[in-house]
Amino acid sequence: DIQMTQSPSSVSASVGDTVTITCRASQDISSWLAWYQQKPGKAPKLLIFATSSLQSGVPSRFSGGGSGTDFTLIINSLQPEDFATYYCQQAHSFPPRFGQGTKVEIK
Amino acid sequence: EVQLLESGGGLVQPGGSLRVSCAASGFTFSSHSMTWVRQAPGKGLEWVSTISGRGGSTYFADSVKGRFTISRDNSQNTLYLQMNSLRAEDTAIYYCAKNVMSWYFDYWGLGTLVTVSS
Repeated sequence: DIQMTQSPSSVSASVGDTVTITCRASQDISSWLAWYQQKPGKAPKLLIFATSSLQSGVPSRFSGGGSGTDFTLIINSLQPEDFATYYCQQAHSFPPRFGQGTKVEIK
Repeated sequence: EVQLLESGGGLVQPGGSLRVSCAASGFTFSSHSMTWVRQAPGKGLEWVSTISGRGGSTYFADSVKGRFTISRDNSQNTLYLQMNSLRAEDTAIYYCAKNVMSWYFDYWGLGTLVTVSS
């Protein structure tokens, strides 16, 4: 099974900041990576698939990059509604697996 | 508009059984694989099970294999998860999700809480 490791586990930031979250796969997953956002008490929401493709309706301040084993989610100009937990997920092979999550908190 | 609505969660004793359901609308249900993902209280997301569009293929996490069964009724646009021999560690919110491009999940329901406790 492919393991997914995110860092940091939490980050404190202010509105307007740029936040970078990293995700590492235990083996090569090419570009088969997604990012999800989850707010407290809500269902996860798909933000990015195939490493860098924004899901419909997702603001352009979100961007994704990487390939192989190392990936990033960048949130530019952090907005109040962006404070949430973010999960990466590998979609390369069975079983699909999520990272442990990164909580973006208000500084 | 795609909508997924889970139901059937509740309190069950260890060793007991429960079936949760997910009613889907807003898309051609039979054309998409569907998935259950769970989230234990205060924890991260764990993929549980997936079923293909016509129901011919099913997949399970090792943690639930042999205890859980996934099924679907395409005439009723409904997804099911039958959970047997439940354990305390199965306590979680269970989300249904629509698959896209194989293993991405583009729409999620609100979830239903399953609590396994005596």
